Amino acid sequence: NAGVTQTPKFQVLKTGQSMTLQCAQDMNHNSMYWYRQDPGMGLRLIYYSASEGTTDKGEVPNGYNVSRLNKREFSLRLESAAPSQTSVYFCASSEGRDRQPQHFGDGTRLSIL
Amino acid sequence: DQQVKQNSPSLSVQEGRISILNCDYTNSMFDYFLWYKKYPAEGPTFLISISSIKDKNEDGRFTVFLNKSAKHLSLHIVPSQPGDSAVYFCAASARETSGSRLTFGEGTQLTVNP
Repeated sequence: NAGVTQTPKFQVLKTGQSMTLQCAQDMNHNSMYWYRQDPGMGLRLIYYSASEGTTDKGEVPNGYNVSRLNKREFSLRLESAAPSQTSVYFCASSEGRDRQPQHFGDGTRLSIL
Repeated sequence: DQQVKQNSPSLSVQEGRISILNCDYTNSMFDYFLWYKKYPAEGPTFLISISSIKDKNEDGRFTVFLNKSAKHLSLHIVPSQPGDSAVYFCAASARETSGSRLTFGEGTQLTVNP
């Protein structure tokens, strides 16, 4: 049971480079989410997709774009990476109804120099 | 502004004793609360939840208490085990939000000493 799979697990970028973080879930969930986790700040929502074909901004969307490619896949793109985007990024999915809990991937640790 | 706050960054308890993790919230629209547990280099995993129509929910060694008037919830772990050592996140959602959006607290590092 893979659950939520994120790739890559680690990445180092230079300022100004672009990158796409990939996320796929095999639980037939409707909703998917991208979070970032920074020390002392918990998890903050970047973007989410309540259902296939829709995306919405979360708490900290600036500097990011997302694509809900299909029901399984939700990607996060950094067009021009900045040191402030150094973080651990988590993808999650949920059924999106009846308050079913979100299931998380193991994260992508991203460093921007 | 931090709508969900965990004021204790860390907590240390002895094996077999009770662990109590606290969480406060400010948004009165929140009506569903969850606790997640996170080990290093892994994603958070769901632990237990509670709806605002209840004041207590129990699952084995884990019990969550909700005090709506104080906008406060707590997670009790009894008895605590070394394997419970992890970061615990409190999270909240409001019915009006689509896609079950969650707002997380900062997390509390629990260490259970053998």
